[in-house]
Amino acid sequence: GDSVTQMEGPVTLSEEAFLTINCTYTATGYPSLFWYVQYPGEGLQLLLKATKADDKGSNKGFEATYRKETTSFHLEKGSVQVSDSAVYFCALSETVIKAAGNKLTFGGGTRVLVKP
Amino acid sequence: DAGVTQSPTHLIKTRGQQVTLRCSPKSGHDTVSWYQQALGQGPQFIFQYYEEEERQRGNFPDRFSGHQFPNYSSELNVNALLLGDSALYLCASSHTSSGELFFGEGSRLTVL
Repeated sequence: GDSVTQMEGPVTLSEEAFLTINCTYTATGYPSLFWYVQYPGEGLQLLLKATKADDKGSNKGFEATYRKETTSFHLEKGSVQVSDSAVYFCALSETVIKAAGNKLTFGGGTRVLVKP
Repeated sequence: DAGVTQSPTHLIKTRGQQVTLRCSPKSGHDTVSWYQQALGQGPQFIFQYYEEEERQRGNFPDRFSGHQFPNYSSELNVNALLLGDSALYLCASSHTSSGELFFGEGSRLTVL
């Protein structure tokens, strides 16, 4: 079945440091790929997505490129801020029923702590 | 515009009891999905409701059941609670035209 593997945290960084969170996936078809973020005490928020190979998703300074050849979707940000402290989840969706909306398979999450 | 709202936010039950969690989708959304997020883990898909019917289901036992009402709101019911059912239960809504999920803040269930 489908699965998502992401690096375990916590990842502790200083402000303005470069952030990379690795994510690899296993899927039978051609999934869409997502990064969600969960801030303390809040629900999951979609950070960015990519729907086909070589697509780059970007938002709020974060980027991730859909790499079909390496089945990866690594998240990067060039200069993190304290406000980026959160748990980040990589996820995929293989929508079997087109009109049904995304059924997501999530990775285990990576906690990121940015210190001033 | 209210987003996805869930209730209750926290609750404590004992083994063997039953629990009902509620979800109101984002305005304009017609599909509701439920996820279970155990502590320190990623969310796992329980099931999805569309047009008041269960459309997709994950690998969860029949103790987990749900319902969608004509106003698109939804309930998640769990019977015969086990300690392992302790988790954050997330509701997500979407519209069939886009499929993008919007998540609520969750209901945290503790089973003692």
